[in-house]
Amino acid sequence: AQSVSQHNHHVILSEAASLELGCNYSYGGTVNLFWYVQYPGQHLQLLLKYFSGDPLVKGIKGFEAEFIKSKFSFNLRKPSVQWSDTAEYFCAVFLKLSFGAGTTVTVRA
Amino acid sequence: GAGVSQTPSNKVTEKGKYVELRCDPISGHTALYWYRQSLGQGPEFLIYFQGTGAADDSGLPNDRFFAVRPEGSVSTLKIQRTERGDSAVYLCASSPPGGESNQPQHFGDGTRLSIL
Repeated sequence: AQSVSQHNHHVILSEAASLELGCNYSYGGTVNLFWYVQYPGQHLQLLLKYFSGDPLVKGIKGFEAEFIKSKFSFNLRKPSVQWSDTAEYFCAVFLKLSFGAGTTVTVRA
Repeated sequence: GAGVSQTPSNKVTEKGKYVELRCDPISGHTALYWYRQSLGQGPEFLIYFQGTGAADDSGLPNDRFFAVRPEGSVSTLKIQRTERGDSAVYLCASSPPGGESNQPQHFGDGTRLSIL
């Protein structure tokens, strides 16, 4: 069975601060990894994905994530957050998308 | 273009009643997924369709839950004898053909089900 754990339940930042959200998965085989974002009142949207190749993945809106196979991690980063990044962020592992519990990010203006 | 559409957006019913939740996937998407999201949790997989058939229903919690996709497009999630613990947001997602493991899933807005 595969499972996903996210380290932080709620993160509060000021604008321009850097963001890093931790994600660890437990599955010994080849994995496809995703970060999804849910803005207030909106549906889940794909931020970025990793299937193979370069372990540093660039996504939309300046987000990136690094796959570290030896650590079973896929942490999400953004160098400088904006108020509009306030949302809930989910790390997920394919196939039937096993999601972490989510991390709520609040960015103060 | 049109995204995944779920109806109703909200459903309130009494314990013991039967409910049906509908999902209209994006046109041309062959894979369809149902998830359930409880408060403070991430979405939890329920069932996955490839075309008309359920390729994996291992996430359905018990035999009160059933889903169909008779024509390979619209899907209905059916819950019999509802219980208060069934209250959650039910999410539907679809993905295009071409190897489901390589295709991101597109999510609907969900149906918020409340069992009184």
